[in-house]
Amino acid sequence: QKEVEQDPGPLSVPEGAIVSLNCTYSNSAFQYFMWYRQYSRKGPELLMYTYSSGNKEDGRFTAQVDKSSKYISLFIRDSQPSDSATYLCAMKGNTGNQFYFGTGTSLTVIP
Amino acid sequence: GAVVSQHPSWVICKSGTSVKIECRSLDFQATTMFWYRQFPKQSLMLMATSNEGSKATYEQGVEKDKFLINHASLTLSTLTVTSAHPEDSSFYICSARVGGENNSPLHFGNGTRLTVT
Repeated sequence: QKEVEQDPGPLSVPEGAIVSLNCTYSNSAFQYFMWYRQYSRKGPELLMYTYSSGNKEDGRFTAQVDKSSKYISLFIRDSQPSDSATYLCAMKGNTGNQFYFGTGTSLTVIP
Repeated sequence: GAVVSQHPSWVICKSGTSVKIECRSLDFQATTMFWYRQFPKQSLMLMATSNEGSKATYEQGVEKDKFLINHASLTLSTLTVTSAHPEDSSFYICSARVGGENNSPLHFGNGTRLTVT
């Protein structure tokens, strides 16, 4: 079983839709959770960074962490064509330098 | 803040030659930098952890004599792919954490697309 599971998609939505992206994980020691956006031929860009369970909102983006279910989500409201990218989840424990990444979900927002 | 610059963004080289990729933290110091490799539709694969002033730590299966890493200063790490072969063609991405804080997130460069002909 992989440490982090993420549906690769592709996911296609109309402009203005609410997008839900998800990852599940198996290691209960994970405490820090991140979402990255990666455009084609570019490096990942940090979108959200959260610690432990709960919600965090930043503009149109909301990150949710449910540690009891080992499940994290990223919601994008009022999606725009410029949101079309691959979204990677990542997580780590309290110690060490090891980050664990999902395989990424490819999102296309259709104008 | 937390900008990581990577150069070049793409390079084409002939088989058997060496290629150097630079990774710089522009507005912060990074005692540790990380080098990843990314294959299409696959997760980021950590190759090695670059430590300023000391030897890099390589992940299992990564040849340290092929992928030479040097971290000469708090803002610069380099990855040299030696005697490149077509199977080394890939997308290489560096990353760093602000101030080396244990629980700060990774900030990535824009990657280098290497094509070996």
